[in-house]
Amino acid sequence: DAGVTQSPTHLIKTRGQHVTLRCSPISGHKSVSWYQQVLGQGPQFIFQYYEKEERGRGNFPDRFSARQFPNYSSELNVNALLLGDSALYLCASSLVGQVWIGTQYFGPGTRLLVL
Amino acid sequence: GQQLNQSPQSMFIQEGEDVSMNCTSSSIFNTWLWYKQEPGEGPVLLIALYKAGELTSNGRLTAQFGITRKDSFLNISASIPSDVGIYFCAGQGIGNQFYFGTGTSLTVIP
Repeated sequence: DAGVTQSPTHLIKTRGQHVTLRCSPISGHKSVSWYQQVLGQGPQFIFQYYEKEERGRGNFPDRFSARQFPNYSSELNVNALLLGDSALYLCASSLVGQVWIGTQYFGPGTRLLVL
Repeated sequence: GQQLNQSPQSMFIQEGEDVSMNCTSSSIFNTWLWYKQEPGEGPVLLIALYKAGELTSNGRLTAQFGITRKDSFLNISASIPSDVGIYFCAGQGIGNQFYFGTGTSLTVIP
């Protein structure tokens, strides 16, 4: 089985632009979570979706939004990019996620550089 | 956002030595996970713990879910050069949020 896949692998944007990152979970997994990992730090939780509904949200501004599609893939959108949004964006999938996320498996990430 | 306190921050050890690292939280967690991350890649799951007091092994790795549910440790026995990387603990608390530790950078000297 394929693992979690993310696209694109790398992205360069300028301040003020918008970006969309994509994630496909492991087959059979219904929960997708998004994380931001700034260089030298651990991943920070942004969102969790289960069965197309938002089930958890971290401490990120409204410029960050996400959605999950009927096939359980997900998009993370970031508007009005700031220099500080430069990071590795990780997607993780798990089998369950309504009240308990369970074991998460991570994709390779999308590295975003904002200039 | 909240991050778990992980120690030590970095370790430099000789090949063959055992390694121990731990993770503490001010909150109770229902799940503790340990991940390894190598440069340019996403974290790879090593061990998952679901019950207070649980002790689980995966090859040379052993991890425990603390009785208080506020801590966990990871041991690596007989380290080898490919153990090099950054090790993160992670826990799920209230509200379906996952929190990650600050990471322990491991360097193994052949």
